[in-house]
Amino acid sequence: AQTVTQSQPEMSVQEAETVTLSCTYDTSESDYYLFWYKQPPSRQMILVIRQEAYKQQNATENRFSVNFQKAAKSFSLKISDSQLGDAAMYFCAYRSARGTSYGKLTFGQGTILTVHP
Amino acid sequence: EADIYQTPRYLVIGTGKKITLECSQTMGHDKMYWYQQDPGMELHLIHYSYGVNSTEKGDLSSESTVSRIRTEHFPLTLESARPSHTSQYLCASSGDLTREQYFGPGTRLTVT
Repeated sequence: AQTVTQSQPEMSVQEAETVTLSCTYDTSESDYYLFWYKQPPSRQMILVIRQEAYKQQNATENRFSVNFQKAAKSFSLKISDSQLGDAAMYFCAYRSARGTSYGKLTFGQGTILTVHP
Repeated sequence: EADIYQTPRYLVIGTGKKITLECSQTMGHDKMYWYQQDPGMELHLIHYSYGVNSTEKGDLSSESTVSRIRTEHFPLTLESARPSHTSQYLCASSGDLTREQYFGPGTRLTVT
């Protein structure tokens, strides 16, 4: 079974600064997808960024980018120019691309990000 | 925000009551999921469905049951609520197993 670990329960950043959230995962599969989701307080969980394991290029979405290290099984999220609206709980998630776990998401424990003005 | 809805948003109910949490989506997705999330904790998959009349149990054992009679509707039922069922329940859907899941706003259930 796959596991996802977020070792930082809480992180904080000053507005306009850069912060990196860590995520590691354990899998024996070679084909899979990785996601970062954002869950603002009392609001819906939304997708931040998605990475296919077969792609070597790191995904980027505006101020959000990832550092995907497949051999190290590491998938960190970098938030540049942090904004107050970035404050939320961030979840790293793994999704198998085949087999009995195909389509199911496995989540990490989450990291609470605080943004200071 | 995604077109996936959950009702009620908050529910406080006594032990032993039967409850149904509603989830519906208007995106035509055939894949739907239920997750359980304790406050400040990770999400655990409790049920999923890949189409009408198809439901499976997830990775976390749950006393709840689900049904999928219509594509857009995926209700979750607890026949006899207990305090241990107190949690947040999140519904999600996706149109493709390789793509992201879209989440509803959640139902926060408290059983007294």
